[in-house]
Amino acid sequence: GAGVSQSPRYKVAKRGQDVALRCDPISGHVSLFWYQQALGQGPEFLTYFQNEAQLDKSGLPSDRFFAERPEGSVSTLKIQRTQQEDSAVYLCASSRPPSYEQYFGPGTRLTVT
Amino acid sequence: DQQVKQNSPSLSVQEGRISILNCDYTNSMFDYFLWYKKYPAEGPTFLISISSIKDKNEDGRFTVFLNKSAKHLSLHIVPSQPGDSAVYFCAASDDAGTYKYIFGTGTRLKVLA
Repeated sequence: GAGVSQSPRYKVAKRGQDVALRCDPISGHVSLFWYQQALGQGPEFLTYFQNEAQLDKSGLPSDRFFAERPEGSVSTLKIQRTQQEDSAVYLCASSRPPSYEQYFGPGTRLTVT
Repeated sequence: DQQVKQNSPSLSVQEGRISILNCDYTNSMFDYFLWYKKYPAEGPTFLISISSIKDKNEDGRFTVFLNKSAKHLSLHIVPSQPGDSAVYFCAASDDAGTYKYIFGTGTRLKVLA
């Protein structure tokens, strides 16, 4: 596709529900990143994939957060037993080394009620 | 502890004048810096970058200046246009080729026609 796409664009979940957020990176981009952006803040790194390998998950805030990219293209960020503090915009980005430039998707706005 | 700081949450500038957006950082190991622009309901888009071996990088109306001794960088937009109205994030990384960017909290620029 022309850019990084994410779905759904908006998600409302009741506290305790599980959610799954999808990211379709730019075709051919081996690197994929997930960020969390709270209101009034900049994006914060969550996790990084190179192809299907999750090389860094140091930013995931708790073991309720899980990300996968089984075939090295589409990625899913799953949040189990959502809490109100999980409310944020979740951004996905992809890149193709050796370029530093990360191309961001439009994000999924998650609201936990 | 905020390693990348954008102390001005907002800035208003008249069309045609210069916009100067500032960013300070605390980690002296940061050696690559980027500016991203974000419109509402869209993901951040890459604008311009600078490596620590340079003190200036220019791309059309956009120039980034880096002062390593002061741990300060700035983005100059000349002349400013109404379409430049957006939130601007600076980001930094501490390893050439690394993927993990630390973002500032953003500055909302409004260019007045």
